[in-house]
Amino acid sequence: AQSVTQLGSHVSVSEGALVLLRCNYSSSVPPYLFWYVQYPNQGLQLLLKYTSAATLVKGINGFEAEFKKSETSFHLTKPSAHMSDAAEYFCAVRRQGGSEKLVFGKGTKLTVNP
Amino acid sequence: ETGVTQTPRHLVMGMTNKKSLKCEQHLGHNAMYWYKQSAKKPLELMFVYSLEERVENNSVPSRFSPECPNSSHLFLHLHTLQPEDSALYLCASSQDRRVGSPLHFGNGTRLTVT
Repeated sequence: AQSVTQLGSHVSVSEGALVLLRCNYSSSVPPYLFWYVQYPNQGLQLLLKYTSAATLVKGINGFEAEFKKSETSFHLTKPSAHMSDAAEYFCAVRRQGGSEKLVFGKGTKLTVNP
Repeated sequence: ETGVTQTPRHLVMGMTNKKSLKCEQHLGHNAMYWYKQSAKKPLELMFVYSLEERVENNSVPSRFSPECPNSSHLFLHLHTLQPEDSALYLCASSQDRRVGSPLHFGNGTRLTVT
């Protein structure tokens, strides 16, 4: 069965600093991987997804993630944090060719300090 | 108008009440989902509907009863709930059940059971 581990339930950065949110997955077959963002009092919004094409995936709001099979990782990065990036971020995995069930990590809450 | 609309946004109910959550999607999608989001826990998939047919029920207690009258509407009927059922209930839709189809979420209903 597939699973997702997000390292760090809280991450705090200064405005303008690099954002790095970590996600490691476990899957017996090539996965599809997703990052979602949840702003306060809202539902989840898709940031980006990896579907076995390019390993470096660009998403909305300047975020990108790199699929590294050797490390079973799909970390989310942004070169320069904005105050508006403060939110909770969820990594999710779905198995190719198998169940459509999307398995979410527990989330990482990003705080951006002025 | 947002793609996936949930009503009400907030609901407080006693353990003996009966209430319903409503979800409507305006995206022309064929699959709809109910998720439960509790503090410090990963999102839990509750139910999946595809073309109005329930295709997945993840061991959800019978006090939660879903209904999908058409591909645009999804309900979650609630009765005799417990305080531990207090959570954010998220509705989502996707174009279809293929693993690469991303989910589009509503803003959720914040449920408090007293």
